[in-house]
Amino acid sequence: DQQVKQNSPSLSVQEGRISILNCDYTNSMFDYFLWYKKYPAEGPTFLISISSIKDKNEDGRFTVFLNKSAKHLSLHIVPSQPGDSAVYFCAASAAGAGSYQLTFGKGTKLSVIP
Amino acid sequence: DAGVIQSPRHEVTEMGQEVTLRCKPISGHNSLFWYRQTMMRGLELLIYFNNNVPIDDSGMPEDRFSAKMPNASFSTLKIQPSEPRDSAVYFCASSPLQGAGASSYEQYFGPGTRLTVT
Repeated sequence: DQQVKQNSPSLSVQEGRISILNCDYTNSMFDYFLWYKKYPAEGPTFLISISSIKDKNEDGRFTVFLNKSAKHLSLHIVPSQPGDSAVYFCAASAAGAGSYQLTFGKGTKLSVIP
Repeated sequence: DAGVIQSPRHEVTEMGQEVTLRCKPISGHNSLFWYRQTMMRGLELLIYFNNNVPIDDSGMPEDRFSAKMPNASFSTLKIQPSEPRDSAVYFCASSPLQGAGASSYEQYFGPGTRLTVT
């Protein structure tokens, strides 16, 4: 059973517009969430994170929103750039329960069209 | 820092052969993770170590898989005997001291080893 779900396998956005990537989770023990970006033939790289005590975290063009009641988080990229084209993974951790393992979604492939 | 180093980058082998994947974590990181990525199952955690000790190997698919971490700067993932269904990209990741704040959740990944078993 998937505890972290990214229901959109792919997303296409025009350059300059907003990209919104979504992630849902089922485990109420998850209290820390991360987004990773992956280019072909490379390993995933950390992008941005959010603790469950917050509902928003912003870093430049990237903002992550967390809705705990809905068990949903989203990553907003504004404005989108062609270099943002990659696979984005959502990940979650139950650190408060003593686990630093990350559970990953299957990823969403973002294509930013020039 | 050179980041997490994995070798080989590509491995092609025949069914039944032994395969050994290698990983050098970032210096100073004390947690190491092995993942497998496939189209069907995405990125799955196989095993992780804290201070060279295996903590959770529940993700290891079968007894054919084994992992070791003889010291803080080296780990291996071995498959013996290999099967075609083991074909995947295997990633190694490391992270700083657990419990040392938010940064300890962030894992740093190597470039992966693409394994093909024919």
